[in-house]
Amino acid sequence: QVQLQESGPGLVKPSGTLSLICAVSGDSISSSNWWSWIRQPPGKGLEWIGEIYHSGSTNYNSSLKSRVTISVDKSKNQFSLKLSSVTAADTAVYYCASSQIGPLDYWGQGTLVTVSS
Amino acid sequence: DIQMTQSPSSLSASVGDRVTITCRASQGINNYLAWYQQKPGKVPKLLIYAASTLQSGVPSRFSGSGSGTDFTLTISSLQPEDVATYSCQKYHSAPRTFGQGTKVEIK
Repeated sequence: QVQLQESGPGLVKPSGTLSLICAVSGDSISSSNWWSWIRQPPGKGLEWIGEIYHSGSTNYNSSLKSRVTISVDKSKNQFSLKLSSVTAADTAVYYCASSQIGPLDYWGQGTLVTVSS
Repeated sequence: DIQMTQSPSSLSASVGDRVTITCRASQGINNYLAWYQQKPGKVPKLLIYAASTLQSGVPSRFSGSGSGTDFTLTISSLQPEDVATYSCQKYHSAPRTFGQGTKVEIK
């Protein structure tokens, strides 16, 4: 069974860059999965951020595309998220997740990232 | 981009009631539609995929239907443990947009 664990700073300053890592266990990052990032602002709904395949192919939410980079590190069996020029509106719980056949069937526990000075 | 719109945004029903949540896509997505359940303070959980296929372990009181642009999630007999927010998601192509969620409470 796939297990996912997010890690990274819980506090980021405005205009800075949010950086998170998702460590994958129970499966190879090189398997036929898409590896995704989703976020949820406090009290609000889920927002799909983007995804990556082990080949490096990526897809991003068009509203975030100019600020988002998702990358994969096969040697560490993990993938990462970078979101630049953050504002308070980027405060959210950030989840990583995987999809084998399309829907997101495995999720990490989520990590709260607060943007504040 | 295809937009996903859920209704209602929240509902309150009694234990044992039949509950229906609707999800509408702004363009056809065949049956590439998933439903997630998120209990308060918890991680979202995949309930249904391919519009009507129950994920393993999901109680049979949950069902999904629809194709194209209009989809429904039905709870045939609402239970206290079903208090949660339910979200739909299109997944046939990126961006894999979520609906805004429907909060289900017990009356």
